[in-house]
Amino acid sequence: DAGVIQSPRHEVTEMGQEVTLRCKPISGHNSLFWYRQTMMRGLELLIYFNNNVPIDDSGMPEDRFSAKMPNASFSTLKIQPSEPRDSAVYFCASSSGGKTGEQYFGPGTRLTVT
Amino acid sequence: GEDVEQSLFLSVREGDSSVINCTYTDSSSTYLYWYKQEPGAGLQLLTYIFSNMDMKQDQRLTVLLNKKDKHLSLRIADTQTGDSAIYFCADLGSGNTGKLIFGQGTTLQVKP
Repeated sequence: DAGVIQSPRHEVTEMGQEVTLRCKPISGHNSLFWYRQTMMRGLELLIYFNNNVPIDDSGMPEDRFSAKMPNASFSTLKIQPSEPRDSAVYFCASSSGGKTGEQYFGPGTRLTVT
Repeated sequence: GEDVEQSLFLSVREGDSSVINCTYTDSSSTYLYWYKQEPGAGLQLLTYIFSNMDMKQDQRLTVLLNKKDKHLSLRIADTQTGDSAIYFCADLGSGNTGKLIFGQGTTLQVKP
């Protein structure tokens, strides 16, 4: 299996621009999680989906952030407009939803907003 | 809310054993996990333990769970320079939501 796939791996953009991060979960997994990692705040859960439905978006920092999962094999995290404080590494993870609950992480997207 | 705590840094000599500790607050925890993050990479699942177990061994890794004290540890035997990374402890809680609560991560430095 290819594991969780994220694109792009690196993104540099200017303040005010729209940024879209993409994720392909492991085939057959029905739960998908978006995390943000920074030195200051560590690893934060932003939002997660079960069977393509958003379950908990309480970690989404502001209305500038939105996430979608149009089908079982694709999800996007969008930031519009982006700000320098959004600079971080964004991870996507997926889980089979079984009782053991383990999550498998993608390689991350390093976002720099100048 | 529920919380997971780890010490931030551990330094050991190559060949020694490393013990990374974690405490959690959720008394209804079902599964607990250890993840490893190398520089520039995502989190890699190392192992997990069911809350009814008190020990799990996998090659050089030994996980100990003291459910009464809500204390989890990861022992790495014969630590190598390739083990240098950040190690995260995570708690599934009751499992109803599928969410993991992560600790802050422990940076393991292995000196040659």
